[in-house]
Amino acid sequence: GENVEQHPSTLSVQEGDSAVIKCTYSDSASNYFPWYKQELGKGPQLIIDIRSNVGEKKDQRIAVTLNKTAKHFSLHITETQPEDSAVYFCAASKDYGQNFVFGPGTRLSVLP
Amino acid sequence: DTAVSQTPKYLVTQMGNDKSIKCEQNLGHDTMYWYKQDSKKFLKIMFSYNNKELIINETVPNRFSPKSPDKAHLNLHINSLELGDSAVYFCASSPLLQGAGDEQFFGPGTRLTVL
Repeated sequence: GENVEQHPSTLSVQEGDSAVIKCTYSDSASNYFPWYKQELGKGPQLIIDIRSNVGEKKDQRIAVTLNKTAKHFSLHITETQPEDSAVYFCAASKDYGQNFVFGPGTRLSVLP
Repeated sequence: DTAVSQTPKYLVTQMGNDKSIKCEQNLGHDTMYWYKQDSKKFLKIMFSYNNKELIINETVPNRFSPKSPDKAHLNLHINSLELGDSAVYFCASSPLLQGAGDEQFFGPGTRLTVL
């Protein structure tokens, strides 16, 4: 089955700097890659996603890149703000109702 | 106007007891899920239901039994609770079981502590 790895497990950056979180997946059939943000005491919330027919997607300060050949995808957050501090999860899934396989998470701390 | 709601938010109980967690979504979604998040924050799917029918049943002890009375509700019943069941349980829903990937909307979680 699918296996998703995520690095780093913790990341601290200064406010205004960029943050990058990387994930790799094992199943070449996976074709949907969402990123979720989980704030303290809350459920995960989708922040951006990418499908396998696209190499990059941006939404304001957040971008995701996908390299299908290498089977890895990354989350980029620019101009980080304290409210970006949270646990971030990548995930992978494939066609027709296959469940998401989540990475182990990255705890991001943005220091003022 | 909560999209996915769970009750209770906190549940503290003794080993061996039976307990239930309720989940409701008002988004009109067809698919609902239960996830378990352990103390290390690892998030793992347990069950998935589509229109009241079980779709995914990961390797979960049969002490865990999901029940879907209608497509807006997916409850989780746990028999003979064990210490290792302590975790945060999340309910989620998504629009339709088709294609690769639909956004999943998560509830606020239920923190279960087994003493």
